[in-house]
Amino acid sequence: EDKVVQSPLSLVVHEGDTVTLNCSYEVTNFRSLLWYKQEKKAPTFLFMLTSSGIEKKSGRLSSILDKKELFSILNITATQTGDSAVYLCAVSQGGSEKLVFGKGMKLTVNP
Amino acid sequence: NAGVTQTPKFRILKIGQSMTLQCAQDMNHNYMYWYRQDPGMGLKLIYYSVGAGITDKGEVPNGYNVSRSTTEDFPLRLELAAPSQTSVYFCASSPRDRGMYEQYFGPGTRLTVT
Repeated sequence: EDKVVQSPLSLVVHEGDTVTLNCSYEVTNFRSLLWYKQEKKAPTFLFMLTSSGIEKKSGRLSSILDKKELFSILNITATQTGDSAVYLCAVSQGGSEKLVFGKGMKLTVNP
Repeated sequence: NAGVTQTPKFRILKIGQSMTLQCAQDMNHNYMYWYRQDPGMGLKLIYYSVGAGITDKGEVPNGYNVSRSTTEDFPLRLELAAPSQTSVYFCASSPRDRGMYEQYFGPGTRLTVT
């Protein structure tokens, strides 16, 4: 069965801390891995990774994919209270339209 | 661009009632999707569409129906509501046919069936 596992499931940090979110996957015909940020409403797209070892970066957020070890990490440096959200990891498969989602990781950043 | 819009935001249904969740996008995306998200769980695909007039089942299609008469609209129909359909429903669209696989989500509809 295809699965995406995120860890930890929740994390509480203080503003200014650096956090690393993990996502491992076991899926057939892997095509790409996507990260989303979900605040109170819709998931918003952060990154899509298809190639191993190439870091994607946007401001304080960065992500990298390891296709050999089947995982990705999402780093957030100098966290702010606005980073508090659920972060979703999803995998896209060739020949399928569905995204296989992990359960999400709840990040709380305290002032 | 409004992106992906959904109505209503909230709804309470009695068991056996029917309703249609509306979804529209103004990004000219051919691919559209309906997901449900249960508490503490990831999103599950209900139905998807690769263009006007074409729809297909996802992982959890039972109890739902869809139609796609235009590129912009992708309504989801619940015919006989059951408590198991209590969930948050998200519609999404994607420029998938242009080689971009990211999906853009609407704000969701929170449905309670009692």
